[in-house]
Amino acid sequence: EAGVTQSPTHLIKTRGQQATLRCSPISGHTSVYWYQQALGLGLQFLLWYDEGEERNRGNFPPRFSGRQFPNYSSELNVNALELEDSALYLCASIQAYRRRIEKLFFGSGTQLSVL
Amino acid sequence: SQELEQSPQSLIVQEGKNLTINCTSSKTLYGLYWYKQKYGEGLIFLMMLQKGGEEKSHEKITAKLDEKKQQSSLHITASQPSHAGIYLCGADDTGFQKLVFGTGTRLLVSP
Repeated sequence: EAGVTQSPTHLIKTRGQQATLRCSPISGHTSVYWYQQALGLGLQFLLWYDEGEERNRGNFPPRFSGRQFPNYSSELNVNALELEDSALYLCASIQAYRRRIEKLFFGSGTQLSVL
Repeated sequence: SQELEQSPQSLIVQEGKNLTINCTSSKTLYGLYWYKQKYGEGLIFLMMLQKGGEEKSHEKITAKLDEKKQQSSLHITASQPSHAGIYLCGADDTGFQKLVFGTGTRLLVSP
C-alpha cells in the first residue's frame, strides 16, 4: 500500500513568486493536514482539510491557502513568497477525523527554498 | 491552545548508553504520540499513549505517560547509531482539531 506522497521533493523559488505543493493521502484516507517545519522550529500547523472542506487553519497569513480535491488529494499554495517561507512542508493524512485525532501518517515533505 | 515542551533540545550520547527524552504539556493530555524524524524527511510514527500510567515498548524504545504530571518520557536503552534523528512528541489539541508538536529533541549517537 502506498504511503502519503508529496511532490515535488524540492522546490526553489524567488521572493514574490508563487509555490504549489501537492499531497496524495493514503488510499481511503479523507483527511489531510499540512504542517510547516522551518529550520530550528518545530512543526507548525498550517491547514486541515476533511471531505473536501477546509476545517481549520493555523496562525498563518492568507497568502497560505489550499484545497482538497474530490479524490482527497490536496494542494498547498503559497503566494507572494517571502524568504522566511523557506521550510520543509509536510503533509499528513488520517482515515477520518473523529472526536479525537488518531495516528497521523506523514509524507516525506517538500523542501521549499525561497531565494 | 496546547503547547508541548521537550527536553533536552539536543543530546549526544555514546553508543550503548541509555537516554531519556521528556515531553511536558501545558494542558491535560488525552493522547500523546511519539514520532521520529530523520533530518529533512517526514515523521515516522513510534508509539501512541492514551491512558495515564500507560507504558509501551518497541524494540529498545519505551514510552510512558504520566497524566497527572501532564508529561511523557521516551527512554532508549543501549542506543545505536540508527537511533539518531529528531524525536517529536505530539498531542491532540482537543477542541482545536489539530495535532500539536513539541519543538523536538535532536539525538546524535557517537560510535
